[in-house]
Amino acid sequence: GQNIDQPTEMTATEGAIVQINCTYQTSGFNGLFWYQQHAGEAPTFLSYNVLDGLEEKGRFSSFLSRSKGYSYLLLKELQMKDSASYLCAVLDSNYQLIWGAGTKLIIKP
Amino acid sequence: NAGVTQTPKFRVLKTGQSMTLLCAQDMNHEYMYWYRQDPGMGLRLIHYSVGEGTTAKGEVPDGYNVSRLKKQNFLLGLESAAPSQTSVYFCASTTLGDSSGGANVLTFGAGSRLTVL
Repeated sequence: GQNIDQPTEMTATEGAIVQINCTYQTSGFNGLFWYQQHAGEAPTFLSYNVLDGLEEKGRFSSFLSRSKGYSYLLLKELQMKDSASYLCAVLDSNYQLIWGAGTKLIIKP
Repeated sequence: NAGVTQTPKFRVLKTGQSMTLLCAQDMNHEYMYWYRQDPGMGLRLIHYSVGEGTTAKGEVPDGYNVSRLKKQNFLLGLESAAPSQTSVYFCASTTLGDSSGGANVLTFGAGSRLTVL
């Protein structure tokens, strides 16, 4: 079966750095997405990785290792508004998105 | 530019009642999707459409029907609601990515919270 694993919840301090991991086992791979979802709101796109390596976008970076079936989302200089759930999703060989359950990130002052 | 609009935002049904959720997008997207989101689980695909007049089953299609009579609209119907269909429903749309691996980024609606008693 297809599976995506992420930690259920993480806590970090304002101004710090946090890394959210995602491991996946899917039938094929055509890219990995990270979405942010604030409570009660719709998911919004953060990043997309299809090749190994690090993609940086402002305070957010996303890393991919296809051989290890592993990705992480790195958030720097954390702000209170970063409190949200972070969803990892993999595009499989049929170009269907397989979603992880999400990681709820709690930022403390 | 409204993006993806879902109606209604909230609804309470009794078991056995029927209802339709409407999704409308103004971005001329080809692909549209209906997902449900339940606590502790990833988004699960109910049905999707790759173009006007076409629909296909996703991971959890039982108990739901869909129609895409117009490119901009994607309707999700529950013919006989059950408590197991209590969930938050998200509609999403995207356009075709390019062959070099452009991301088919999904644009989501704000969600429809459905409670079935």
